[in-house]
Formats: sequence, C-alpha cells, structure tokens
Amino acid sequence: GIQVEQSPPDLILQEGANSTLRCNFSDSVNNLQWFHQNPWGQLINLFYIPSGTKQNGRLSATTVATERYSLLYISSSQTTDSGVYFCAVTGSSNTGKLIFGQGTTLQVKP
Amino acid sequence: NAGVMQNPRHLVRRRGQEARLRCSPMKGHSHVYWYRQLPEEGLKFMVYLQKENIIDESGMPKERFSAEFPKEGPSILRIQQVVRGDSAAYFCASSPPTRINEQYFGPGTRLTVT
Repeated sequence: GIQVEQSPPDLILQEGANSTLRCNFSDSVNNLQWFHQNPWGQLINLFYIPSGTKQNGRLSATTVATERYSLLYISSSQTTDSGVYFCAVTGSSNTGKLIFGQGTTLQVKP
Repeated sequence: NAGVMQNPRHLVRRRGQEARLRCSPMKGHSHVYWYRQLPEEGLKFMVYLQKENIIDESGMPKERFSAEFPKEGPSILRIQQVVRGDSAAYFCASSPPTRINEQYFGPGTRLTVT
C-alpha cells in the first residue's frame, strides 16, 4: 500500500515565525488533504489539494503530484496554530480510503 | 449547513459491554467513513459505507466490530464485548457523491474502556 511520510515529526516555533511542513507519498494519488488536529482533538480540514497550489489566509499548500510530495506553509504563526498537522492521501484505486501520515506536532510559543 | 455530527462525544464502558457510536453525515453527503486513532498514533481507516452498503471494510477488526449505514438514520459503529485496547478516538467522515475523495470529519467519539 501507499506509504505517507511527514517531516519534521516535531516543530517548535516562536510566534510570528514561518514554517514549512512536508508530506512525501510513495505512489500516485487521487486525493491529498491536509488537516489540523487542535489540542481538543478536533480534525479541521485545511486543504483538499491533489495537485497545484492553494492559499487560505496565512496558510498555503502546494502538491507536486509527479514528484510525490506536498508542502504546507504556515506564515506568521500564532499560538492557535499549535497542534498536529496530518497529511492524508487516497490511492489511485480510488476506494475513498484515506491513508494518514504520522503527523507533525507543532508548538507555537508566545 | 451543519457539519458531520457524532454522538456521544465521550463514552465510558466497562470491559465486556457494548459500545454504539453514531454518525450523521453532512447534508447531501451519501458516503461515510470511520477511522480510529489509538493513543499516540495516527488515524487508521476502518470502513467505508454508502447507504445500505459496505464498500470497503478492509480496516475493520475481524471480530466484535461492525458498521452499518441504514437507509434512514445515522451510521452506527458497534463494538461488542469491549476490551481496554478498544479505548481510542473514533472519527467519522463524510463526502459528497460527486467528490468522494474530499472528506469532512466529525468531532470524534472518545471511547474509554475501564
């Protein structure tokens, strides 16, 4: 099956700093989503981005499907950005099953 | 438009009891997925359902676990004779019929087995 690897596993930032999170996947995909799991455990959809670039406020994401990676950019980080960021993909067999990476744990300090 | 609803949000069961977790998809969504997040682990797919059909249950444990999505009402994930290892957060997601790959998650049910 598809392998999804995220880096770095942990990240500590000072408020206001920028960061880049990476997601590598081992095979072609039909879907790629980024999620934020907040400290209360809720999963928030950030981006549905099987290819290309999208931006939403301070967050943006780029997926280069041919090279099998996606990047999530966080600019001017805030303490509310803390939590775990997951990348998840659906393989080309298109069963709808999302395969999650292990996540990047982000801590933003005031 | 209400999001994916799950209830209860927290559920405590003693070993050997049954746990029933409910999920109501977003309005207009006909595809439902269940995922499990064990402590200190990522999320793992369990089952994918459409109304009255199980499409993919490759992630479901072979015993004690079952899922349904009836014609009327919410999707149910049922765990019989719970054990301590079933303690986890169970998330439901739904997607619209024209974009089955774009999944929206509910708040989760946190099951604790004592």
